[in-house]
Amino acid sequence: DQQVKQNSPSLSVQEGRISILNCDYTNSMFDYFLWYKKYPAEGPTFLISISSIKDKNEDGRFTVFLNKSAKHLSLHIVPSQPGDSAVYFCAASGSSGTYKYIFGTGTRLKVLA
Amino acid sequence: GAGVSQSPSNKVTEKGKDVELRCDPISGHTALYWYRQRLGQGLEFLIYFQGNSAPDKSGLPSDRFSAERTGESVSTLTIQRTQQEDSAVYLCASSLYGAGEQYFGPGTRLTVT
Repeated sequence: DQQVKQNSPSLSVQEGRISILNCDYTNSMFDYFLWYKKYPAEGPTFLISISSIKDKNEDGRFTVFLNKSAKHLSLHIVPSQPGDSAVYFCAASGSSGTYKYIFGTGTRLKVLA
Repeated sequence: GAGVSQSPSNKVTEKGKDVELRCDPISGHTALYWYRQRLGQGLEFLIYFQGNSAPDKSGLPSDRFSAERTGESVSTLTIQRTQQEDSAVYLCASSLYGAGEQYFGPGTRLTVT
């Protein structure tokens, strides 16, 4: 049973436009969420996180939105750049103090120049 | 500074053989994690080490899997009597403390023929 779901395996976006990556979760006990980015042949790298006490967290071109009632989060990248082309994983945990992250299956983003 | 390193980067083995995968965490990181990513799947938690505490082995899929860690340094993940379903990328991560940001290594791609 997949507790964290990324239903879009891939996404293509034109350079300069907005990329929106979506993630849904089923466990209402999750209260800390993260996004990781992964380039080929490299390990995932942390991108941005959000706690359930917030509904938005912004870091430069990256913004994560959390809709607790819908159990949905999204990552917005504006403007998208070719270097953003990677696989993006969302992850969730039961609290900001726990080490056990449940990862989604990833969305491959391709930003077209 | 040096990141998390893993060796080998690729391993091809015959079904039934044992394999040993190595992880060198970032120096000073007390927490170390092993994950598995099968094709088309998310990252699957395997095991967690934190300092001298007993490891959390709850994610190990069978008793053919085991892991050791020497103090707060190198860890090895051993898979005995490998099966084709063990084929995956095995990722190691470390963090400064449990529940902190996890830094991933590049992974070991294991192929069981």
